[in-house]
Amino acid sequence: NAGVTQTPKFQVLKTGQSMTLQCAQDMNHEYMSWYRQDPGMGLRLIHYSVGAGITDQGEVPNGYNVSRSTTEDFPLRLLSAAPSQTSVYFCASSISGGNTQYFGPGTRLTVL
Amino acid sequence: AQSVAQPEDQVNVAEGNPLTVKCTYSVSGNPYLFWYVQYPNRGLQFLLKYITGDNLVKGSYGFEAEFNKSQTSFHLKKPSALVSDSALYFCAVRWGSGGYQKVTFGTGTKLQVIP
Repeated sequence: NAGVTQTPKFQVLKTGQSMTLQCAQDMNHEYMSWYRQDPGMGLRLIHYSVGAGITDQGEVPNGYNVSRSTTEDFPLRLLSAAPSQTSVYFCASSISGGNTQYFGPGTRLTVL
Repeated sequence: AQSVAQPEDQVNVAEGNPLTVKCTYSVSGNPYLFWYVQYPNRGLQFLLKYITGDNLVKGSYGFEAEFNKSQTSFHLKKPSALVSDSALYFCAVRWGSGGYQKVTFGTGTKLQVIP
């Protein structure tokens, strides 16, 4: 099993550009989530999904969009990048909400 | 509201000495608690969790955590620290209901084990 994979590993954007961070898991997990990690702030939940076709907002959803068309994939879209979105982004999956999560290796995003 | 506090940004300990990384929590209902570890430039890895039962939970790499309901704490411990334990440690608490349960993370504690 590859576990949770994320692409790209690094990305630099200019303010106003859009992009999609990819996340995939091969463990048949129903629950997937996106976090951002910033120094001194730990991990903050952006969006999550409890199954294909079902998504909900976390604590910092503004500026981000998600969809879940398959169990395996959970892409995160930045609609119009801003410098405040410079961060490290982690995707995670688990059997169910609130259970042990398996994390991807992260995407380091810089917005200029 | 649910929350997790890790009062120490950094903990330094000499190799071979016992280590403790502190965590306190606030959550409605019965707590469901986790510890994760993050090595440099890596994603988080699960260490251990408390659901119910024995207050001393054993996890990966020789780590254990002690659940104390009266003090609302869930401190991470290891009897003898290794240099390879140096990493960032996160405490987390589950909250919510039904299938929409979520996890809130603390701000992390950097553990530095000195040779």
